[in-house]
Amino acid sequence: ETGVTQTPRHLVMGMTNKKSLKCEQHLGHNAMYWYKQSAKKPLELMFVYSLEERVENNSVPSRFSPECPNSSHLFLHLHTLQPEDSALYLCASSQLAGSGGETQYFGPGTRLLVL
Amino acid sequence: AQSVTQLGSHVSVSEGALVLLRCNYSSSVPPYLFWYVQYPNQGLQLLLKYTTGATLVKGINGFEAEFKKSETSFHLTKPSAHMSDAAEYFCAVGTGTASKLTFGTGTRLQVTL
Repeated sequence: ETGVTQTPRHLVMGMTNKKSLKCEQHLGHNAMYWYKQSAKKPLELMFVYSLEERVENNSVPSRFSPECPNSSHLFLHLHTLQPEDSALYLCASSQLAGSGGETQYFGPGTRLLVL
Repeated sequence: AQSVTQLGSHVSVSEGALVLLRCNYSSSVPPYLFWYVQYPNQGLQLLLKYTTGATLVKGINGFEAEFKKSETSFHLTKPSAHMSDAAEYFCAVGTGTASKLTFGTGTRLQVTL
C-alpha cells in the first residue's frame, strides 16, 4: 500500500452507535489531519496531530474523539452522532519541516451517513 | 486570519477551450497557496503550490497558476481542456509552519464535447 489509506470507505450508523474511522499513512510523515467535507461547504479542519501530539482542535464536538497511537495511524472515534454529521471524512498527512508550505497528502475519505 | 474565495461554484468549458478557475485569498502574512483537485469518490490531489520564488507555478496535467500579490489572486489556468479534467478544484491558503490550510468552497469543472 502506498500513500494514505482510509477504512472503511463507506459507513452507515445509527445515532446511538459507536464506530471508528481508521487512517494509515505510508509516507513517513510526522503530522496527520482529520477534515470534514460537507456539501457546499469548505473543508473543515477538525484535528491536527504533530509528532503524535494533538496541536489543533477546531471546536469539534466531543462526540468526535481522535486518537493517534503512532506517527502512521490516526483514528476518529464516533459516538452518539447527529444526522448533520453525515459527510465525507478525509484524512491527510504531511512532513512538517519548520519552513511552512508543506504539502498535505489526502486519503480517499470515508463517506459517513448517520440515520 | 486567512480566507479563500473561489468565484463560480460551477464552470463549464468545451473540450479544447481555455480553463480559468479563479481564486482570491486574504492573509495577514505572506501566504502559501495551493490548488487541489478531487475526482469523484476520491480524496484531494495536489495540482500545484506556491511557496516562494517564481510567481508562475506549473503543476501536473498541464495546469499552471500565477501568484499576483497586488491582486491577492492565484488563478488556475490550462490552455486546452480535456474531458479528463472534469472534477472539483479547491484553492487553499496556508501560513506558518504547522501546515494549517484554509480551503475555498470549490469549483466544479465540467468539460463538454
